[in-house]
Amino acid sequence: SQQGEEDPQALSIQEGENATMNCSYKTSINNLQWYRQNSGRGLVHLILIRSNEREKHSGRLRVTLDTSKKSSSLLITASRAADTASYFCATGVQETSGSRLTFGEGTQLTVNP
Amino acid sequence: DAGVIQSPRHEVTEMGQEVTLRCKPISGHNSLFWYRQTMMRGLELLIYFNNNVPIDDSGMPEDRFSAKMPNASFSTLKIQPSEPRDSAVYFCASSPRDRYNSPLHFGNGTRLTVT
Repeated sequence: SQQGEEDPQALSIQEGENATMNCSYKTSINNLQWYRQNSGRGLVHLILIRSNEREKHSGRLRVTLDTSKKSSSLLITASRAADTASYFCATGVQETSGSRLTFGEGTQLTVNP
Repeated sequence: DAGVIQSPRHEVTEMGQEVTLRCKPISGHNSLFWYRQTMMRGLELLIYFNNNVPIDDSGMPEDRFSAKMPNASFSTLKIQPSEPRDSAVYFCASSPRDRYNSPLHFGNGTRLTVT
């Protein structure tokens, strides 16, 4: 079953506004990662947050993790047109049967100038 | 660092032909991944190598797909014979450690069209 599911599927905002994307998952995880994908390009890693962390920042990005609700959010503050991209969460799991990194289906963010 | 390098960027071929996709991972990375991305199925892991050894190939669709990693700096994904449903963007990614606990570095992909 799909581990990470992003919400919303698509988001359209004006430049300068904040954008919030959510990710929910079903099983316990070791970490959660967020990636960005510009059209026609590969995914680019943004932030990795471990299961014992609650919040991480990187520039205009803020990621929160709530393991009790099995959810994470990515906040982009003061958005720019260049932030237009698809954003994916990926859950990292280490089990006795092996490790897995499972990607969600992504949120398409459009920032209008 | 040049990043993960994939070739070709675009491949158009006819059904039944053999297709070979190539990947050069980032030097020093010991994990390599092949993913396939389509609108319908999203991003799917095809195969994962660690230290040049295939660890998980459960995502390889069928026997028409094969992947090799003869050394730490090169990997290939081969489809023989190709079918129209194989049309997708194929990504190679590498990572300095195990697949679940460190960031993946993606190439820019190969867009495969099978007619």
